[in-house]
Amino acid sequence: ILNVEQSPQSLHVQEGDSTNFTCSFPSSNFYALHWYRWETAKSPEALFVMTLNGDEKKKGRISATLNTKEGYSYLYIKGSQPEDSATYLCASDTSGTYKYIFGTGTRLKVLA
Amino acid sequence: DAMVIQNPRYQVTQFGKPVTLSCSQTLNHNVMYWYQQKSSQAPKLLFHYYDKDFNNEADTPDNFQSRRPNTSFCFLDIRSPGLGDAAMYLCATSRPDGNTEAFFGQGTRLTVV
Repeated sequence: ILNVEQSPQSLHVQEGDSTNFTCSFPSSNFYALHWYRWETAKSPEALFVMTLNGDEKKKGRISATLNTKEGYSYLYIKGSQPEDSATYLCASDTSGTYKYIFGTGTRLKVLA
Repeated sequence: DAMVIQNPRYQVTQFGKPVTLSCSQTLNHNVMYWYQQKSSQAPKLLFHYYDKDFNNEADTPDNFQSRRPNTSFCFLDIRSPGLGDAAMYLCATSRPDGNTEAFFGQGTRLTVV
């Protein structure tokens, strides 16, 4: 994988459903993987910065895992709420250059 | 309080008429970035500064220039906007360490008519 890829591109879920998205990134020279949430008309906001293989991070109902050997990260949202509706972006930093290469994002819509 | 502020939020410019977008930060971060995001695409890094050191991405068109007069401010100049330059432009700041998060402004939506 040469680019950062995210799937699915968009997702509609019902309130209360749990959901997950995938971020694939180049595994060679991996340094860090970032997850951001971008709500409409707001700034993208960091959710997690992950660096270690096997890392798991959690913030409320949102959690993320990281596999640096195979180059993927999962973001999980448990019991989705309408306020979780946003675009979720992941970004890879290779070799500690602090240049973040973004995926296209997953657009989540949670229906009440 | 917003820590990275972009002005204006919306900018309409004429084809070929130079336009400047501005970004300011209160975080005192060394690194400032400009990203371009077109509809349904990934934000694309145009360039970044580490302090006064300018780093242009290889595929950033010459039409795009940047200035960073001091730590707090950074400008994106588009010398001759074309229709293809219509996009969301995001400014971000960070410490020079990929281990730490980047902070973003709300973006400037540029329309070229």
